[in-house]
Amino acid sequence: GENVEQHPSTLSVQEGDSAVIKCTYSDSASNYFPWYKQELGKRPQLIIDIRSNVGEKKDQRIAVTLNKTAKHFSLHITETQPEDSAVYFCAAVNTGFQKLVFGTGTRLLVSP
Amino acid sequence: GAVVSQHPSWVICKSGTSVKIECRSLDFQATTMFWYRQFPKQSLMLMATSNEGSKATYEQGVEKDKFLINHASLTLSTLTVTSAHPEDSSFYICSATALAFQETQYFGPGTRLLVL
Repeated sequence: GENVEQHPSTLSVQEGDSAVIKCTYSDSASNYFPWYKQELGKRPQLIIDIRSNVGEKKDQRIAVTLNKTAKHFSLHITETQPEDSAVYFCAAVNTGFQKLVFGTGTRLLVSP
Repeated sequence: GAVVSQHPSWVICKSGTSVKIECRSLDFQATTMFWYRQFPKQSLMLMATSNEGSKATYEQGVEKDKFLINHASLTLSTLTVTSAHPEDSSFYICSATALAFQETQYFGPGTRLLVL
């Protein structure tokens, strides 16, 4: 089955800096890659996603890149703000099976 | 947007009792619902996939007789933790999707279960 690895497990940055979180997946049949932000005790919130026919997608300060050949994808957050502090999860989906396989999570701390 | 609710938001129960958690899609008909479990400081682990009107598909290692899932309608799925034990204490989150959403899953707010 699919296995998703995520790095780093924790990331501390200063406000205004950029943050990059990287994930690798094992199943070449996976074709949908969402990113979720989860605040303590709350539900995961979809912040951006990318499909396998696209190499890059951007939404304001957030961007995601996908390298299908290498089977890795990354989340980029620019101009970080304290409210970006949360745990971020990547995930991979083989749309034929619908199942979301989550990465291990990255705890992002943005210091003022 | 698509809204998913869960009830209760938290529950404390004694060891050996059963607990039922409800997951509802409020503004759409969910063809598929998913149940996840999340232990503190860990990732979400899929427990089972539930399609309306059919039996749930459980992930490897998840006891189907312990975690009973019922998806009786297009807007409601329930997870019953039977004979709960302290090791079942966790954050249980459901998600729902529909064909129109393609792969996007919408998550409920979660239910925190504490078994004493």
